[in-house]
Amino acid sequence: DTAVSQTPKYLVTQMGNDKSIKCEQNLGHDTMYWYKQDSKKFLKIMFSYNNKELIINETVPNRFSPKSPDKAHLNLHINSLELGDSAVYFCASSPQTGSEAFFGQGTRLTVV
Amino acid sequence: SQELEQSPQSLIVQEGKNLTINCTSSKTLYGLYWYKQKYGEGLIFLMMLQKGGEEKSHEKITAKLDEKKQQSSLHITASQPSHAGIYLCGADNAGGTSYGKLTFGQGTILTVHP
Repeated sequence: DTAVSQTPKYLVTQMGNDKSIKCEQNLGHDTMYWYKQDSKKFLKIMFSYNNKELIINETVPNRFSPKSPDKAHLNLHINSLELGDSAVYFCASSPQTGSEAFFGQGTRLTVV
Repeated sequence: SQELEQSPQSLIVQEGKNLTINCTSSKTLYGLYWYKQKYGEGLIFLMMLQKGGEEKSHEKITAKLDEKKQQSSLHITASQPSHAGIYLCGADNAGGTSYGKLTFGQGTILTVHP
């Protein structure tokens, strides 16, 4: 069974569209994250949720809105997609803050 | 400069050779995490180091933390093609207030030739 699963794995869309990436973890973890990995492979945190509550919100455009319907899910909705949004987005979870995070396989987003 | 620097950025070795990847933080380290990424896949957790001088090993991979120098090294002994991938270090620079936030290095691309 996949511990942290993201869908879709690949997403190609046009500029200006709105898209969502879903993430689910079946590990019973309290904390979930969204990371963005750019073309230079830098991995930067975007959001962190602990028990459905937003804990970390880094400098991310308002077009990005995370939603956590329950502890096991953290979805990422992106409005008005721009070319610069093209990247690989990783979802992760950890049993608690300060412990190792388990990552999903990533969603490669390409905006054309 | 980046908060977390990895070196080298890429590494090509012959199978059977030993290698070391370094990770240096410009801020205090409260925890250092090593991950491996294969193309098109997620990050696989390798090891977590939290105490100065701590050293952990898993199979042929050993990681050490030098808290004073704010550095960590990852050493692979007798490398194999299966070790190929991107190695990333992630740093907890805030301790109890980090809420799990990690700052990652840019990664080291490792290629192992058979």
